Amino acid sequence: DGGITQSPKYLFRKEGQNVTLSCEQNLNHDAMYWYRQDPGQGLRLIYYSQIVNDFQKGDIAEGYSVSREKKESFPLTVTSAQKNPTAFYLCASSSRTDNNSPLHFGNGTRLTVT
Amino acid sequence: DQQVKQNSPSLSVQEGRISILNCDYTNSMFDYFLWYKKYPAEGPTFLISISSIKDKNEDGRFTVFLNKSAKHLSLHIVPSQPGDSAVYFCAASISGGYQKVTFGTGTKLQVIP
Repeated sequence: DGGITQSPKYLFRKEGQNVTLSCEQNLNHDAMYWYRQDPGQGLRLIYYSQIVNDFQKGDIAEGYSVSREKKESFPLTVTSAQKNPTAFYLCASSSRTDNNSPLHFGNGTRLTVT
Repeated sequence: DQQVKQNSPSLSVQEGRISILNCDYTNSMFDYFLWYKKYPAEGPTFLISISSIKDKNEDGRFTVFLNKSAKHLSLHIVPSQPGDSAVYFCAASISGGYQKVTFGTGTKLQVIP
């Protein structure tokens, strides 16, 4: 079955440590995205990538970094510079050839930083 | 600046009745609208969409209505079922180029058996 795999499901880190969230897709989608969800707020875009070796900042990119070395993978690093890193992180992908194709989401990683 | 607004954080409906979820937007450039459904601890899944050239789109029990002049869309679920209990996100995008999707804050629907 095609889909998006995010790992781990739960992640705990101490303040000041960088942490990397994994996202892998086997849908052969060109575009991949990272969103963050906080209570009472919609999904906010952190970074997106339309093609391998290229990515752009979303609305709340500060304190985050990404890479896109392979089509299937789009890891997100939450750095110590991110002031409020505790959140639910969602990775998504879409077919770039169809601008209105729905986003396919993974099941998310809940990050808790203490 | 919340460009997509879902003003009702929650909604309770009896099983078998109609559920109506509302969404308002402010950016007149939006021309494609989607609804996503999300269960706890899972990612959202696509439910139904509508282009701005239409005012209604139907898929089984789900119908989305778009009123461009009012910048308002609604999702109707008829009949509502307990399995429909979830958070529903309204989303909007501008066609052409990169598909940047703007999400609303979500409405939690509870369907009471």
